[in-house]
Amino acid sequence: SQTIHQWPATLVQPVGSPLSLECTVEGTSNPNLYWYRQAAGRGLQLLFYSVGIGQISSEVPQNLSASRPQDRQFILSSKKLLLSDSGFYLCAWSEKETQYFGPGTRLLVL
Amino acid sequence: TQLLEQSPQFLSIQEGENLTVYCNSSSVFSSLQWYRQEPGEGPVLLVTVVTGGEVKKLKRLTFQFGDARKDSSLHITAAQPGDTGLYLCAGGTSYGKLTFGQGTILTVHP
Repeated sequence: SQTIHQWPATLVQPVGSPLSLECTVEGTSNPNLYWYRQAAGRGLQLLFYSVGIGQISSEVPQNLSASRPQDRQFILSSKKLLLSDSGFYLCAWSEKETQYFGPGTRLLVL
Repeated sequence: TQLLEQSPQFLSIQEGENLTVYCNSSSVFSSLQWYRQEPGEGPVLLVTVVTGGEVKKLKRLTFQFGDARKDSSLHITAAQPGDTGLYLCAGGTSYGKLTFGQGTILTVHP
């Protein structure tokens, strides 16, 4: 069966520091991969998606970037965090139209 | 841009009551997914509906996809405290991206 992992689970970072969140998927090949941000208790905003290694589409211009160095690895990065980058970050994978989510990373920028 | 309006935003009911959550759009979706999310965790898929007019039942939960594939509903019969959580609908497209509603926070009081 397929599993999706995210780490870290929680992160507290100062403004201006770099960021690297990692997502890995097991049990499937060449999945579509997604990064979302979720405001407290609300809907999900799609940040990036990838249909293959090195292929990244950005949905919202912002302070973040994404990379996919391996088939089942998806990384969300920032060179300098802003206060507004705080939130709950979710990674998801899909085959066909259904998406399956990881456990999420809670990021607090102070 | 496709939008999905979810209502109500908040629902507070007593154990044993019935409830319905709605998702509506002016856009046609190729599929409609419903997720349930607990605080601090990733959304968990409840169901995917793909055919206009389709009805799926999952124990006390009934999901319906509108004939025109623009709207969907989730009906819970005899709600229990364990049903408490954030319910999210998401409309799918053939190229794999989802458009999420803003979510319904359900609280079931014992």
